[in-house]
Amino acid sequence: GAVVSQHPSRVICKSGTSVKIECRSLDFQATTMFWYRQFPKQSLMLMATSNEGSKATYEQGVEKDKFLINHASLTLSTLTVTSAHPEDSSFYICSARAREGRIDYGYTFGSGTRLTVV
Amino acid sequence: RKEVEQDPGPFNVPEGATVAFNCTYSNSASQSFFWYRQDCRKEPKLLMSVYSSGNEDGRFTAQLNRASQYISLLIRDSKLSDSATYLCVVNIGPWGGATNKLIFGTGTLLAVQP
Repeated sequence: GAVVSQHPSRVICKSGTSVKIECRSLDFQATTMFWYRQFPKQSLMLMATSNEGSKATYEQGVEKDKFLINHASLTLSTLTVTSAHPEDSSFYICSARAREGRIDYGYTFGSGTRLTVV
Repeated sequence: RKEVEQDPGPFNVPEGATVAFNCTYSNSASQSFFWYRQDCRKEPKLLMSVYSSGNEDGRFTAQLNRASQYISLLIRDSKLSDSATYLCVVNIGPWGGATNKLIFGTGTLLAVQP
């Protein structure tokens, strides 16, 4: 099966600092990684789509300068929340499309990162 | 209008009950459809795909009506372990294309009572 490892699982940071979240595909190459955000009692909202080696595509209303995405290799994508504020506190989840040859495993999710900005 | 709409619930049902969730989507170009299950503070996990012909997996039955842009999930003989949030998910964009992505509904909370 396809596994996406996401770290850290939980982070508490001070307002104004930056936080980096990593997602690694462990046994497949993730050419595309998706980053979602989920506020309490709400659904997952797609923030951006990152493709290996190119710039990320951000959804409407998501600030690209605040949420920096880097997808420098086929197994690693990172999301950096810059100058975090309490309103950025949320559950951030990555997802990747897993394919190995002709086998399509569909979308696999990381275990999520719970960010609390104090 | 939201791209994927669901009744948020909560649905409180006794063990053994049958419960049905509904979902509507607005993008007629949607390619494929899924039900995901999300436990509290966890990532969503794929429950089942949804096909026009309808499909069944044990106690779970999913149906798709493309003409009405309507998706349903039926759970029979509810178990305590079925308590979770059920997310209706739509895949839009050409499969394998750069714009392919998942759009999530807000989820329906199910609480199965002993």
